[in-house]
Amino acid sequence: NAGVMQNPRHLVRRRGQEARLRCSPMKGHSHVYWYRQLPEEGLKFMVYLQKENIIDESGMPKERFSAEFPKEGPSILRIQQVVRGDSAAYFCASSPDWGEKLFFGSGTQLSVL
Amino acid sequence: TQLLEQSPQFLSIQEGENLTVYCNSSSVFSSLQWYRQEPGEGPVLLVTVVTGGEVKKLKRLTFQFGDARKDSSLHITAAQPGDTGLYLCAGEGSGTYKYIFGTGTRLKVLA
Repeated sequence: NAGVMQNPRHLVRRRGQEARLRCSPMKGHSHVYWYRQLPEEGLKFMVYLQKENIIDESGMPKERFSAEFPKEGPSILRIQQVVRGDSAAYFCASSPDWGEKLFFGSGTQLSVL
Repeated sequence: TQLLEQSPQFLSIQEGENLTVYCNSSSVFSSLQWYRQEPGEGPVLLVTVVTGGEVKKLKRLTFQFGDARKDSSLHITAAQPGDTGLYLCAGEGSGTYKYIFGTGTRLKVLA
């Protein structure tokens, strides 16, 4: 049973470009969480999704950031018109249900030049 | 806003020493989890504590949930270099669907 798969592992973008981060949850998991981590810091909640629904996006900036978890395919975190401050590690976690154990992917390190 | 503060922020100790890491909040959490994260990887769950006053042991690691469910501690006995990593506590947010992570404790155990 494969774990949570995130790709790419490393993503380099220039200011103003778009970044697309993908997350395939563990088999049988319908709950996906996205977190952002800056160096030497803890994880900051961004968004919680279930299949086709955004449940809680209170941690996600209102502009330039969006997330989806379609019926088929991976969850996507999309950042439009990236700025240097978006540089961070973005982690995805999945669980079979709310309140269940979270399984994390290895993250995508986004670097904005 | 629910916050989890961890202390100390950084800890460097010699192999064989004992240590305690704290996770504190002014809010009540229905459950609290401890994770360990290694460089370049995602956090890995170590334990979940649910009941106030609960104590759980995982080999040389002892986890305790405060009676009021506002704080937790992680005690490591006879630390080993393999214990090196970032330790994170995370609380199940009350009335929300998000897990709130603490500020982290970066532990380095020297051989």
